[in-house]
Amino acid sequence: QVQLRQWGAGLLRPSETLSLTCAVYGGSLSDYRWSWIRQPPGTGLEWLGEIKDNGSTNYNPSLKSRVTISVDTSKTQISLRLNSVTAADTAVYYCARAMLVAKHNWFDPWGQGTQVTVSS
Amino acid sequence: SSELTQDPAVSVALGQTVTITCQGDSLRGYYASWYQQQPGQAPTLLIYGNHNRPSEIPDRFSGSSSRNTASLTITGTQAEDEADYYCSSRDSTGDHVVFGGGTKLTVL
Repeated sequence: QVQLRQWGAGLLRPSETLSLTCAVYGGSLSDYRWSWIRQPPGTGLEWLGEIKDNGSTNYNPSLKSRVTISVDTSKTQISLRLNSVTAADTAVYYCARAMLVAKHNWFDPWGQGTQVTVSS
Repeated sequence: SSELTQDPAVSVALGQTVTITCQGDSLRGYYASWYQQQPGQAPTLLIYGNHNRPSEIPDRFSGSSSRNTASLTITGTQAEDEADYYCSSRDSTGDHVVFGGGTKLTVL
């Protein structure tokens, strides 16, 4: 069974860069898309972007200028970088495996989540 | 439109049936998936492709779709079903993903 384990810095100052890594255990990166999703306190889910196993990416237009998702196939890891963070970027960040088949898209499994707080 | 709209809160009596809906233009062209989120936990997949259920999900959870609305129905609601529920689909361009705002289900 595929499991996702994620880690990264949990406390950032404004203007710093958020950096998180998600490791895939029990499976490969092939044939899937890999997404980052966040959840600000007390609110809903926001999709940040995705990377295919060939390295091509799609990003949420509202964050496109600040977000970068990359993949290290040798380590079966996916990474997220978000530049110039502000307090509005405070959230729990999740990685998730995405399946896109024709017009079907779903996320399973999800990582355990990483709390990131931006505060001066 | 790239938005999915859900009722913020719904309540149901223990053992009864409840339906949670998700509306959006993207659902005319893309299938919905549904997620359950318990407090302090990551979301988990409940339904994909509008109505398909992973094998580990109890059959009291079902999904359906009509035009621009996807629905999640819980039949014989249990106390442990009290949680937040989110719908999701690709947006109308197909290049991005959107989530509904979530529905908080209270079991009375």
